[in-house]
Amino acid sequence: KAGVTQTPRYLIKTRGQQVTLSCSPISGHRSVSWYQQTPGQGLQFLFEYFSETQRNKGNFPGRFSGRQFSNSRSEMNVSTLELGDSALYLCASSYQRQGGNEQFFGPGTRLTVL
Amino acid sequence: QQQVKQSPQSLIVQKGGISIINCAYENTAFDYFPWYQQFPGKGPALLIAIRPDVSEKKEGRFTISFNKSAKQFSLHIMDSQPGDSATYFCAASTASKLTFGTGTRLQVTL
Repeated sequence: KAGVTQTPRYLIKTRGQQVTLSCSPISGHRSVSWYQQTPGQGLQFLFEYFSETQRNKGNFPGRFSGRQFSNSRSEMNVSTLELGDSALYLCASSYQRQGGNEQFFGPGTRLTVL
Repeated sequence: QQQVKQSPQSLIVQKGGISIINCAYENTAFDYFPWYQQFPGKGPALLIAIRPDVSEKKEGRFTISFNKSAKQFSLHIMDSQPGDSATYFCAASTASKLTFGTGTRLQVTL
């Protein structure tokens, strides 16, 4: 079974621009979560989508948004980029069967904001 | 507010030794405690996980010990190998949201 895939793997943007990142979950997984990883703040939860609905949200500003499609693929968008948005953005998928919430991560998208 | 505290920040262990990483949590609503291993340039990989109704779980060389009353859990890596050199993250989950520790950089020397 193929793992979680994320595109693109690397992105360079300038301040003020917006960016869209894509995530394809493991086949059959219906939950997709997004995390931001930085050296200073570590791994932080952004939001989770399940069946095209945002089910959980972390403490990030409204510039960070996401969506999930009917095939469970997900995108996250960051508008009005700031230098501090430079990070590794990780997507994780989960089957969400009863009693199980193992999350499997993709390789991430490395975003650099100049 | 850091809800999951992880220690040590870095660890050097000789090949064949035991690596021990500790985590403590505050939120009693957490109901799932996984450990992830991350190599440079890669996403975190799920290593082993435990639920609070179990005190210990072992998978190969990896063991989680869980102390619900103390709100602590730890990862033990037996017979540590150079290939285990990576950053390890503990995490705690509620409602599908993972809260991570700050990570431990493990180096296994020959």
